[in-house]
Amino acid sequence: DIVMTQSPDSLAVSLGERATINCRSSETLLYISNNKNYLAWYQQKSGQPPKLLFYWASTRESGVPDRFSGSGSGTDFTLTISSLQAEDVATYYCQQYYSLPWTFGQGTRVEIK
Amino acid sequence: VQLVESGGGLVKPGGSLRLSCAASGMTFRNAWMSWVRQGPGKGLEWIGRIKSRTDGGTTDYATPVKGRFTISRDDSKNTLYLQMNSLKTEDTGVYYCATHKVETNSFDYWGQGTLVTVSS
Repeated sequence: DIVMTQSPDSLAVSLGERATINCRSSETLLYISNNKNYLAWYQQKSGQPPKLLFYWASTRESGVPDRFSGSGSGTDFTLTISSLQAEDVATYYCQQYYSLPWTFGQGTRVEIK
Repeated sequence: VQLVESGGGLVKPGGSLRLSCAASGMTFRNAWMSWVRQGPGKGLEWIGRIKSRTDGGTTDYATPVKGRFTISRDDSKNTLYLQMNSLKTEDTGVYYCATHKVETNSFDYWGQGTLVTVSS
């Protein structure tokens, strides 16, 4: 199974400041034939189901604010919130869909400092 | 798109439970569907997927549930099912159904989840 490891486990950021979440996979998620990274990012607020933010590592889902960005390739990926807003308090998960079983990172909790 | 899970509850170890996921606002018969669970205070765990009938209707499962859980679908009722047998305490959690985003295996729509508690 591909192991997904996120860092840090939690972070506290001041309103308006940048938040950066890292995700590392135990195997490459880059499929050479189509040059796509099989990685998604989700946001889960307390008591709610997850919400898809990005797929193909950097393709923003419709309706996701552009202060969110996804980047990276191969085994190292990053989710960045350029200017943290109060409504961004949540736990964020990466997920690989390169190979079965699809696996998630352990989550990164983002709070306001 | 709306996904509504039901069927959760309290069950003893070794018992069985069947979850349902009613879909609306989408062409259910064309959708690949998955179940994802979340243990209490824990992260997300994919447990299984069923393809659309036109893509073969086949299923795949995560190792912890293989042989115990079965995913099925009734396209005439726009409903997804998860039959859970030989339940263990570690199966406790919120169970979500989710749709696959077209041409990816990311999950773009999720239900609100149903809680399954396995305890004696």
